[in-house]
Amino acid sequence: AQSVAQPEDQVNVAEGNPLTVKCTYSVSGNPYLFWYVQYPNRGLQFLLKYITGDNLVKGSYGFEAEFNKSQTSFHLKKPSALVSDSALYFCAVRDLRRNRDDKIIFGKGTRLHILP
Amino acid sequence: DSGVTQTPKHLITATGQRVTLRCSPRSGDLSVYWYQQSLDQGLQFLIQYYNGEERAKGNILERFSAQQFPDLHSELNLSSLELGDSALYFCASSEPGTSGTEQFFGPGTRLTVL
Repeated sequence: AQSVAQPEDQVNVAEGNPLTVKCTYSVSGNPYLFWYVQYPNRGLQFLLKYITGDNLVKGSYGFEAEFNKSQTSFHLKKPSALVSDSALYFCAVRDLRRNRDDKIIFGKGTRLHILP
Repeated sequence: DSGVTQTPKHLITATGQRVTLRCSPRSGDLSVYWYQQSLDQGLQFLIQYYNGEERAKGNILERFSAQQFPDLHSELNLSSLELGDSALYFCASSEPGTSGTEQFFGPGTRLTVL
C-alpha cells in the first residue's frame, strides 16, 4: 500500500535562513511525488512535482525538492525563507502501478513558521 | 484562483440532517476528487469520479455518497450528520489522460454540525 510520512508537525525557521520540510514515502512501484501548500482558509495549491528525470525539481515561489530513491524521500527546500512562506505544507504520493485510478495519498501536513 | 468552484462556502446544520456540497471542476478536467480535512484526521481522500463514473474510493462513510453529472460537476451528499462530520470538505480536479498530473483544489466548504 502506498503511504507518505511527514515526520515533523511543525518547523520553525528564521527569515532569511534555508528551510527544509521532510517527506518520506512508500510505494510498490515508482512514485509520482507532489508538494502542496495551504494558506489559512484556502484550498491547497500545487507547488511542484517529481515524475521522472532530474532528481532536483524546481517549483513555485522559489521552492525546490530533491527526490532520493535510496532514502525514499522527497524533502522540500528553499534557500532563503520569507515570512510569507508560513503555511501548512503537504507532501503527496501516487503509485505508478495503480493504473486504474489516480488516487493520491497525502501526508498529515507540516506547519511551517517563519520567524521575522 | 484554481478554476475549481465549490458551493456553499459555509454550511451550518444540526445533527441528523442531510446536506449537499457542490463542486464544478476546471474547464476540460474529467476527474473530480473529494477530500475531508479535519484537525485530528488531516486530509482524507473520500472518492474520485472520472467522466461520470466512480474510479476510486477512500475512507468514505456509508452515510456519504457522491456523483458526477454529465456536465462534469459533482455533488457530495452527507446524511445523518454527526458532530464529528464537522470539517472542511475540498473538491479537486485534474486533467484527463495524464497519470502524473497534479490536482487543482477548490476553496472548500466548511461544514459545522451543531
